[in-house]
Amino acid sequence: DGGITQSPKYLFRKEGQNVTLSCEQNLNHDAMYWYRQDPGQGLRLIYYSQIVNDFQKGDIAEGYSVSREKKESFPLTVTSAQKNPTAFYLCASSMAGPRRVGGYTFGSGTRLTVV
Amino acid sequence: DQQVKQNSPSLSVQEGRISILNCDYTNSMFDYFLWYKKYPAEGPTFLISISSIKDKNEDGRFTVFLNKSAKHLSLHIVPSQPGDSAVYFCAASRGANRDDKIIFGKGTRLHILP
Repeated sequence: DGGITQSPKYLFRKEGQNVTLSCEQNLNHDAMYWYRQDPGQGLRLIYYSQIVNDFQKGDIAEGYSVSREKKESFPLTVTSAQKNPTAFYLCASSMAGPRRVGGYTFGSGTRLTVV
Repeated sequence: DQQVKQNSPSLSVQEGRISILNCDYTNSMFDYFLWYKKYPAEGPTFLISISSIKDKNEDGRFTVFLNKSAKHLSLHIVPSQPGDSAVYFCAASRGANRDDKIIFGKGTRLHILP
């Protein structure tokens, strides 16, 4: 059963710690994305990757880092430099190229809370 | 600069009636539009899409209308059901380039009243 899996579902971080959110897909999608959702802010793009070993900053990349060593995996690290990391994080994937019918497939999200 | 705008943060509709969610966009290069539905603590799921060569697309209870001259699209849900209570995101992309991303609006929370 193809899909996109995010883990963990809930994550707690102490101030000053780095944490890594996992995102794995078995849809054979080329492109993967990380979004952050805050109340009233909609979905804001953090980083995206169109191909293995390549990624680009989105609109709010400061304080985050990513890697794309495998097609299936796109982990997101929230560093201590991120001033307000408490949010709901969503990973998505899609076929690259024009006419992406159906757009993105999203994971079920990770709720990160700084304690 | 918000390229996709959903000006109503929330909407309440009686069960059985029509729900109409609106969306405006500013980039005339957008040629593919999507609606996603999202429940709390879950990821958005794709609902329906429309290409700019059409002005209407229908899928069961869901219909999307596109008015290119007004840069406006709307999602109609008929009849509205309790399970339709969710946040709805309007989204748009140019689609012609490999690197083009989908741009999302801020969402409209739909409440279906019993």
